[in-house]
Amino acid sequence: DTEVTQTPKHLVMGMTNKKSLKCEQHMGHRAMYWYKQKAKKPPELMFVYSYEKLSINESVPSRFSPECPNSSLLNLHLHALQPEDSALYLCASTHLVKGRDNSPLHFGNGTRLTVT
Amino acid sequence: AQSVTQPDIHITVSEGASLELRCNYSYGATPYLFWYVQSPGQGLQLLLKYFSGDTLVQGIKGFEAEFKRSQSSFNLRKPSVHWSDAAEYFCAVAPWGNQGGKLIFGQGTELSVKP
Repeated sequence: DTEVTQTPKHLVMGMTNKKSLKCEQHMGHRAMYWYKQKAKKPPELMFVYSYEKLSINESVPSRFSPECPNSSLLNLHLHALQPEDSALYLCASTHLVKGRDNSPLHFGNGTRLTVT
Repeated sequence: AQSVTQPDIHITVSEGASLELRCNYSYGATPYLFWYVQSPGQGLQLLLKYFSGDTLVQGIKGFEAEFKRSQSSFNLRKPSVHWSDAAEYFCAVAPWGNQGGKLIFGQGTELSVKP
């Protein structure tokens, strides 16, 4: 069982739809992340939130819009996606340690997104 | 530039046989090193990590890994593989002063287990 919960597990959406992915953790972690993973590839970092503020955006297209309403929740709002955006979207969280950042990431099981 | 290399894309071993998955990193200092496992349709689960100290680290599910500075390697080992170990394995590094969890992942090694 993972301590990072992602919903939904699967999502199929058309290119004109608007949908949201949700992620929740109750481990007191103050850093949360969105990763995108294509089949047979490693995860690619999309966004990082530190203390509920966006700290890293890895040049992600604006059709992906992250939101961190509080320290336990992370959303990814999707709009006007393309078929090539179909992938497994993983949420992760970690403690923020002052100085060197060395805490391992805790991953959720992901949302399998298919864009038609 | 920092990088992680997992030379083996796919490995097949017999159940009960020993396993070694290779990982080499390119970085000027000693990074933080991790091995993650991903079963089909699942997220990534941390197997073990190395930060400093004893270069042989023990992880979950009977896995261990050895950090060798001279070879810039962090190979994962298991003495006896179980069928349930079939999965994708990712080596990852977090460089010194890394901000925001920017892990650098290797390309992954897919492990198949023969009965």
